[in-house]
Amino acid sequence: EAGVAQSPRYKIIEKRQSVAFWCNPISGHATLYWYQQILGQGPKLLIQFQNNGVVDDSQLPKDRFSAERLKGVDSTLKIQPAKLEDSAVYLCASSLRQLNTEAFFGQGTRLTVV
Amino acid sequence: ILNVEQSPQSLHVQEGDSTNFTCSFPSSNFYALHWYRWETAKSPEALFVMTLNGDEKKKGRISATLNTKEGYSYLYIKGSQPEDSATYLCAFMDYGQNFVFGPGTRLSVLP
Repeated sequence: EAGVAQSPRYKIIEKRQSVAFWCNPISGHATLYWYQQILGQGPKLLIQFQNNGVVDDSQLPKDRFSAERLKGVDSTLKIQPAKLEDSAVYLCASSLRQLNTEAFFGQGTRLTVV
Repeated sequence: ILNVEQSPQSLHVQEGDSTNFTCSFPSSNFYALHWYRWETAKSPEALFVMTLNGDEKKKGRISATLNTKEGYSYLYIKGSQPEDSATYLCAFMDYGQNFVFGPGTRLSVLP
């Protein structure tokens, strides 16, 4: 079974530039999560999708971050414009159902904003 | 905002030592508690999903217990090996579908 795929693995951009990350979840997984993990902290949920609908985006900085999951499969996360404090690892995860099942993670995208 | 805490923040043990760490979470509205292991340059991978108070789960040398009434879970590693070096994350899930990770415990096992 193929795992969660993310790209790119690494990205360096200047502040105020835009960046987009892509995630392809495990086939058949209805729930998709985007997490931000800043060095020394645990992953913080940015947005959770159930199929192509948003379940929770309460911690997504909507003035600069956006995410979509067209057709309930792949998802993209965009930052526009980026700030220095956005430097982090962005993890995508998927799970079969919303509750009570483990999440499977991609390898993440390490973003550095300079 | 739900608060999930883990202690210690980091831990260094000698190969062969047994160790344990703690995850504390809200005791109300509990649905599930997950444990993940995150090795450097790899994806976090699930160790356990626990739902019942008093539940104990085991995978090889790693085991976990759960107390939902007081809001804590322990993760135990028996006879630590260098390959156990990783960050161990717990994540709390409630009936409101909130899924919150703790900051993690970074374990280093010295040969």
